[in-house]
Amino acid sequence: SQQGEEDPQALSIQEGENATMNCSYKTSINNLQWYRQNSGRGLVHLILIRSNEREKHSGRLRVTLDTSKKSSSLLITASRAADTASYFCATKGGGNKLTFGTGTQLKVEL
Amino acid sequence: GAVVSQHPSWVICKSGTSVKIECRSLDFQATTMFWYRQFPKQSLMLMATSNEGSKATYEQGVEKDKFLINHASLTLSTLTVTSAHPEDSSFYICSARGGLVAHPPYNEQFFGPGTRLTVL
Repeated sequence: SQQGEEDPQALSIQEGENATMNCSYKTSINNLQWYRQNSGRGLVHLILIRSNEREKHSGRLRVTLDTSKKSSSLLITASRAADTASYFCATKGGGNKLTFGTGTQLKVEL
Repeated sequence: GAVVSQHPSWVICKSGTSVKIECRSLDFQATTMFWYRQFPKQSLMLMATSNEGSKATYEQGVEKDKFLINHASLTLSTLTVTSAHPEDSSFYICSARGGLVAHPPYNEQFFGPGTRLTVL
C-alpha cells in the first residue's frame, strides 16, 4: 500500500494550546496537501506544500515538509473548539493521484 | 472556489438493490473525477478514476462490475453500487479535477460532501 501514516492517531488538547500532527509517506512526491474533515462530512482543503518548499503558513496553520525523511507536519496554533475534526495528509506523486494518510482525530476541549 | 456536489447525501437501501450516487461539478468542467470510499474512523481509499467519455480505471481490489462508474459529461459522474450488501455500507466521496482552463486552477482537486450509504 502506498498509503501514508499519520501520528498521533488521536490527539486531545485544551483550547488555546497548539496541536501538531505528523505525516509520513513512502514514495517521492510532487506535493503534499492537508485536509480537514468534520465528522460525517466531506473534505476541506487546508494547505498545499510543494516538494521544493520546506515550510508554509496559512493563518493559524504551519506546515513543514522534509522530503529527505519523507515526512510532513501540520501545526495548528491557538487551537479552538471548532478545530475539532479529523486531519488527513495526502500526497500526489507521478501518477497524479492523491494518496491519503491514515488521519489524526483532533479533539479540542474547552 | 470550485464547488462539487453529491446526491443523495445519504441513502438507506435493502440488500440486493442498486443505488446510484451522482457527483456534479457546479461551476467548472471536470475532465477527471475520482471516487473514494471511507469506512468509519478510517482514511479515504481511492476506488476509481474516470475521465470524461472514457472507461473508468479501477484500483486493485475494486470490482468494476459491482461499482459502475459513468462519466458522461464534463460536469457529471455517477457511481452505481449494484446488488448492494451490508458490507458495502460506507461513506462515498467524489472528487473532481479541472481541465485546461483558468478556473479552477488547473489540476487542483475538489471534493464533494460525501454520500452515506447504509445497506440493510
